[in-house]
Amino acid sequence: NAGVTQTPKFRVLKTGQSMTLLCAQDMNHEYMYWYRQDPGMGLRLIHYSVGEGTTAKGEVPDGYNVSRLKKQNFLLGLESAAPSQTSVYFCASSRASSSYNSPLHFGNGTRLTVT
Amino acid sequence: GQNIDQPTEMTATEGAIVQINCTYQTSGFNGLFWYQQHAGEAPTFLSYNVLDGLEEKGRFSSFLSRSKGYSYLLLKELQMKDSASYLCAVPHSGGYQKVTFGIGTKLQVIP
Repeated sequence: NAGVTQTPKFRVLKTGQSMTLLCAQDMNHEYMYWYRQDPGMGLRLIHYSVGEGTTAKGEVPDGYNVSRLKKQNFLLGLESAAPSQTSVYFCASSRASSSYNSPLHFGNGTRLTVT
Repeated sequence: GQNIDQPTEMTATEGAIVQINCTYQTSGFNGLFWYQQHAGEAPTFLSYNVLDGLEEKGRFSSFLSRSKGYSYLLLKELQMKDSASYLCAVPHSGGYQKVTFGIGTKLQVIP
């Protein structure tokens, strides 16, 4: 049981380049998320999805796009990378819960550097 | 909105007890999570509190006071492997598990 798998683990981009981060979960979770983590800022929500074919903006969505064509996959795209997007990106998933008690399960992160 | 405060760093001695505090402000309270994150790794779930009081889970316990907007994580019999960041997090009201995280408290356990 792999849980949440992110690829790649590391990536270096030049300003203006594009890339897609891949996230896959095998826990049949309904909800999936993309966070970024920066020193002194904590984890901040970029986009999230509550089901296949649906996505929504989080706290810091600008410069990113997402897609969830299959329940188990959630893709994060950077169309034109900027140095401000240098960060560690975490994908997470959780089951649907009306009582807010469902914990997030995180992937191991992607360390992205934009030069 | 949501606002979470926790100390940025703490140091404690192996075998001792340490308490990591978290204060929060939220427009609607839906519980509070604690996560552990070792350097270079993913956060992992430790606890969830929604009712006042102390919940114990082995060497780790978590306390909540909703009236004071306050929680703490208590780590007993500290081990070197407990050196990590501890993240306090609160869900938003909205039904979709959107969660706001604190910046985390980096705990260093020394011999």
